[in-house]
Amino acid sequence: DIQMTQSPSSLSASVGDRVTITCRASQSISSYLNWYQQKPGKAPKLLIYAASSLQSGVPSRFSGSGSGTDFTLTISSLQPEDFATYYCQQSYSTLSAFGPGTKVDIK
Amino acid sequence: QVTLRESGPALVKPTQTLTLTCTFSGFSLSTSGMCVSWIRQPPGKALEWLALIDWDDDKYYSTSLKTRLTISKDTSKNQVVLTMTNMDPVDTATYYCARIYRGDSSGYSWFDPWGQGTLVTVSS
Repeated sequence: DIQMTQSPSSLSASVGDRVTITCRASQSISSYLNWYQQKPGKAPKLLIYAASSLQSGVPSRFSGSGSGTDFTLTISSLQPEDFATYYCQQSYSTLSAFGPGTKVDIK
Repeated sequence: QVTLRESGPALVKPTQTLTLTCTFSGFSLSTSGMCVSWIRQPPGKALEWLALIDWDDDKYYSTSLKTRLTISKDTSKNQVVLTMTNMDPVDTATYYCARIYRGDSSGYSWFDPWGQGTLVTVSS
């Protein structure tokens, strides 16, 4: 099975900061990588699909990059509503897998 | 508008079998490429993918849980059912269902949208 890791597991940042989250797959997954945002008590929300495609309605401050085994989610200028937990997910295999998550909180 | 909603017991006893139902609208599971997955999340922990059923009734399960899981669909009722046997307190989690479309020519797919989730507590 494909395993996913993320770093860091948590980070503290201020409004306006540029934030970068990394996701790594245990084997090459091409660009079959999605990113989700989850706020407390809510279901995850799709942000980025196919590694770098922005889901409709998602602010352009969110961007994704990478291919193969290493991927990045970037928030160019952190906004108050962006404090949440972020998960990557591989869709290369039908047996999907999520990363352990990165919690972004207020410094 | 596509919506999904999970339903099932809020409390189950250890060793019992859990049955959850995902009722959806806005799409048909008889459409080529359409799939529904179950994902769970223990309190304060990460998301864990559990199972997927596709339009052709093919079923896929988490390697670590496959002996305990069964997924099925009732296309006429727009429902997907997940059963999990031999429940244990470590199975306490919010269980989500989500749509996934695997018919795009690019091969890319993703979970969207998700249901609101249902919290299942395993306790005697």
